[in-house]
Amino acid sequence: DAGVTQSPTHLIKTRGQQVTLRCSPKSGHDTVSWYQQALGQGPQFIFQYYEEEERQRGNFPDRFSGHQFPNYSSELNVNALLLGDSALYLCASRLRGTEAFFGQGTRLTVV
Amino acid sequence: DAKTTQPNSMESNEEEPVHLPCNHSTISGTDYIHWYRQLPSQGPEYVIHGLTSNVNNRMASLAIAEDRKSSTLILHRATLRDAAVYYCILREVLGGSGGGADGLTFGKGTHLIIQP
Repeated sequence: DAGVTQSPTHLIKTRGQQVTLRCSPKSGHDTVSWYQQALGQGPQFIFQYYEEEERQRGNFPDRFSGHQFPNYSSELNVNALLLGDSALYLCASRLRGTEAFFGQGTRLTVV
Repeated sequence: DAKTTQPNSMESNEEEPVHLPCNHSTISGTDYIHWYRQLPSQGPEYVIHGLTSNVNNRMASLAIAEDRKSSTLILHRATLRDAAVYYCILREVLGGSGGGADGLTFGKGTHLIIQP
């Protein structure tokens, strides 16, 4: 079992650009959540997807959007990138009634 | 979400027990206490959770105060691989339905340093 896999591992983008990050959940998991972790801080919840719909959202602007596919994989899209969007983006998956498993994250640098 | 308070950092020696405290004075009756840890350059990983009774698993023990306003994560014999940031998190339901709102609220956690 490969666990939660995220791609790419590192990414450099220019301010104003758009970025798409990808997540494949752990086998058997149907719920995917995304988190943003700034340097020295704990992860901050962005949103959660289940049955291809956004079910819960944290305090993030509409520039942050997502999608879940029928195979449960997910994408995080960020538009109009700001320097402050530089962070580690973590994907977590779980199955109902179980704990969340996290991927190793995508390190996004906005220059 | 109910808030938790943890020390910023703690230091311990290898092969000794470690007690990581967490205060959660505003915990509600339906909040589970979860602990996750994040090793350097990795995503967080689940450690243990409990509701009212003390819990043990292969990684750690969780001691919950009788009034549930505080809890302690216990690593019985710390190794260098236990050096990580430990997060104490309150969550209302243990995942319930997939459509439930159960995003985790992380604080800054406790940075555990293990000395050889």
